[in-house]
Amino acid sequence: RKEVEQDPGPFNVPEGATVAFNCTYSNSASQSFFWYRQDCRKEPKLLMSVYSSGNEDGRFTAQLNRASQYISLLIRDSKLSDSATYLCVVKGDNNDMRFGAGTRLTVKP
Amino acid sequence: DVKVTQSSRYLVKRTGEKVFLECVQDMDHENMFWYRQDPGLGLRLIYFSYDVKMKEKGDIPEGYSVSREKKERFSLILESASTNQTSMYLCASGRDRVTEAFFGQGTRLTVV
Repeated sequence: RKEVEQDPGPFNVPEGATVAFNCTYSNSASQSFFWYRQDCRKEPKLLMSVYSSGNEDGRFTAQLNRASQYISLLIRDSKLSDSATYLCVVKGDNNDMRFGAGTRLTVKP
Repeated sequence: DVKVTQSSRYLVKRTGEKVFLECVQDMDHENMFWYRQDPGLGLRLIYFSYDVKMKEKGDIPEGYSVSREKKERFSLILESASTNQTSMYLCASGRDRVTEAFFGQGTRLTVV
């Protein structure tokens, strides 16, 4: 079983739609959690950290459920520029860092 | 701005060659990572290091080794390159186990 599981999609949504991604992790000792964004042929870049109380950054909301070991990302009012692959990232208690396989999002006019 | 620099963007090597991929970061980060990224498989952790001369195996260490002689530099070594090691290789560095990591631009390695 992979340590970090993510629905690969693809998700194809119209502009203005709300879309949600989920991610599960297997190591209950995991320390910290992130969502990264990766554009085609580019390196991954941090989108946002995920905090236990949930956090919001503009149109993006991230949530963490430690009991069920899942992380979510909600994007409201999708823009064309949101088209990318979204990567769920989990940092362990031994300094490792593991990624989900990524969820591909395409926002269409 | 954090900078993580990988020595080559594109590399073509022959089967059986010993290949060195270099990664340098300028933020005095403790942790450094090597991943390979393949379509449909995402980023898979090869090795990571949490201190100078320290290394830990990731999920797919076979056929690879690493070296961290200085804090800022983390090298990935393909002892005898094979065609199934053709991939995009990404290096990352991070300060600790809580804050985010930063990536280099990647090296696309082709083994022929």
